Order: sequence, then C-alpha cells, then structure tokens
Amino acid sequence: NAGVTQTPKFRVLKTGQSMTLLCAQDMNHEYMYWYRQDPGMGLRLIHYSVGEGTTAKGEVPDGYNVSRLKKQNFLLGLESAAPSQTSVYFCASSFTSENTGELFFGEGSRLTVL
Amino acid sequence: GNSVTQMEGPVTLSEEAFLTINCTYTATGYPSLFWYVQYPGEGLQLLLKATKADDKGSNKGFEATYRKETTSFHLEKGSVQVSDSAVYFCALLGGNTPLVFGKGTRLSVIA
Repeated sequence: NAGVTQTPKFRVLKTGQSMTLLCAQDMNHEYMYWYRQDPGMGLRLIHYSVGEGTTAKGEVPDGYNVSRLKKQNFLLGLESAAPSQTSVYFCASSFTSENTGELFFGEGSRLTVL
Repeated sequence: GNSVTQMEGPVTLSEEAFLTINCTYTATGYPSLFWYVQYPGEGLQLLLKATKADDKGSNKGFEATYRKETTSFHLEKGSVQVSDSAVYFCALLGGNTPLVFGKGTRLSVIA
C-alpha cells in the first residue's frame, strides 16, 4: 500500500541551486497539496491542485512553482533556493471535488539550504 | 478568513493522566473540524473529525466535541499512554478553501 510517496526524503542544497520534489499518489485522488512545516509555525500551504492540469496558490507560494501534468503526480519546484526555504515539506492528497477534509500525507522531505 | 488557534506546547504528562488540548476556531458558516496526529518521523494522519455542531468525533480513546457556541473543538483522552506521544494538529475546513491547520501541540507521555 504505497499511498502518498515523496522523493527525495532528504536533500541539501546551496543557495541559488534549483531542485524538484516529486509527489506520487496511487489512490486516484483529485486534490493534491504541498505544505511546509517549520518549528512554531505548524503546516502552511504552499500550492495545491484540484485536478490534473490545475494549480492554485496557498498561503506561502513565493519562491515555489508546481505542476500537475498527470493526476497521480504533483511536482514542487524551487528555481533558486534560499536558506529561508529550509524546511520539511509534506505532500498530501484527498478524495473528490467535495474535499471531505481527510488528507493523506506522505512521510515528508527534509530540505536544507546552505 | 478561517483560522485555528490551539494551545501552545509542549505538554508533558505521566502515563494514565488525563489529556486536554484546547482548540478554538474562527470561520464563517458551518465548518468541519478535525484533529490530525503526527508521530515521530511520519506524516500527519487523521485522528478524528466532526462535521456539524454538537457532533463528537472519537478514535483510539480520543474524543472531541464540536461546540459552536464557544467555537471550540478540544481534544481529550482519559488515560494517555507513552505511545500517544506525538504532535497534534487541530484543523478546519470551511467554504472553498483548503484545510487550515493550527500550529500543533507536542505531547510527551512519560512512563
């Protein structure tokens, strides 16, 4: 039972480098999300998608881009990484257009920007 | 906009103690309310939920009642175990916006 899978699990970047986090879900969910988790800040929504080919901004979208070319995948890109983007990133997905509130989370990707 | 406020942690309890983690919310209309739990090294998972006023969500010995009059959804457990040590997040779903999370409360239970 794969559920929601994130790759990579850990990554260290230098300031200015770029990278992409991949999220894959095998539950045929319509909605997918990217959150970041920082100490004392809880989870903050970066971007989300309500279906294949769609994306929308969340609470903290600056410095990130996303794409949802296939229903099962949701990519999060950092074009020019900054130390402020050091965080743990979580991908999540959920059922149906009615968004019942039950999100299924991946195990997280820890990113350090030096 | 929608928001959730939960008590600051960390909370440290002895095994078998009673647990309360407070959560209050601000929202228009009639939101649904949730508690998520994050065990060490894992992603979040849904613990319980309530979709309308006076509903009680329950799971694994945890309970929370949706109180519209006090805009609250406090999490309780009568007797905590070491295995309950985790971070607990209150969350709200209302309108057309995605789930909004509180900042989380870390619980440590000592034997």
